[in-house]
Amino acid sequence: DVKVTQSSRYLVKRTGEKVFLECVQDMDHENMFWYRQDPGLGLRLIYFSYDVKMKEKGDIPEGYSVSREKKERFSLILESASTNQTSMYLCASSLRPQRRGAQHFGDGTRLSIL
Amino acid sequence: DQQVKQNSPSLSVQEGRISILNCDYTNSMFDYFLWYKKYPAEGPTFLISISSIKDKNEDGRFTVFLNKSAKHLSLHIVPSQPGDSAVYFCAATFYSGGGADGLTFGKGTHLIIQP
Repeated sequence: DVKVTQSSRYLVKRTGEKVFLECVQDMDHENMFWYRQDPGLGLRLIYFSYDVKMKEKGDIPEGYSVSREKKERFSLILESASTNQTSMYLCASSLRPQRRGAQHFGDGTRLSIL
Repeated sequence: DQQVKQNSPSLSVQEGRISILNCDYTNSMFDYFLWYKKYPAEGPTFLISISSIKDKNEDGRFTVFLNKSAKHLSLHIVPSQPGDSAVYFCAATFYSGGGADGLTFGKGTHLIIQP
């Protein structure tokens, strides 16, 4: 069965810290995505990657970076965390070329920046 | 600018009746539309999708209708069951020529099925 695993369900960090959110998929998918979900705003795409070491900006990349050193792992990095980055972060993966609709999501990391 | 709009934050429906969730979009380039269902503390799960070359797609109790001229789609659930209580997200995408296409989501509609 399809599995996308996010390393932490809950995370609390301080303003200014460098924060790493990890995501691993076991489906040999080429594409991986990072979204954030906020009340009243739905899910918004931060970054995505279609291959190892490749990355593309999504709709709200400011304040974030990503790393894809291995096919199965996609990391989201908050270079200097700020309180407005408190959110639920969701990782997803899909085949390439993307089978329409087949983005599989992890259960999310709820990140609080104090 | 919100490209995918779900104007009803919540919807309450009696068990056994039809649930209709609506979604509007503004970007004419979108050519594929999806519905995801999300329970609390879980990631969204794919429910059903429709290509812009179709106007209807059916899967069991779930049917999605697309009206391209109105830039409107809807999800029908018949009959509604208690397990359908969740947040439903409408999403859209278009083929960018690259290897991956991110999804543009609406804000979601919280469906509550009343016993």
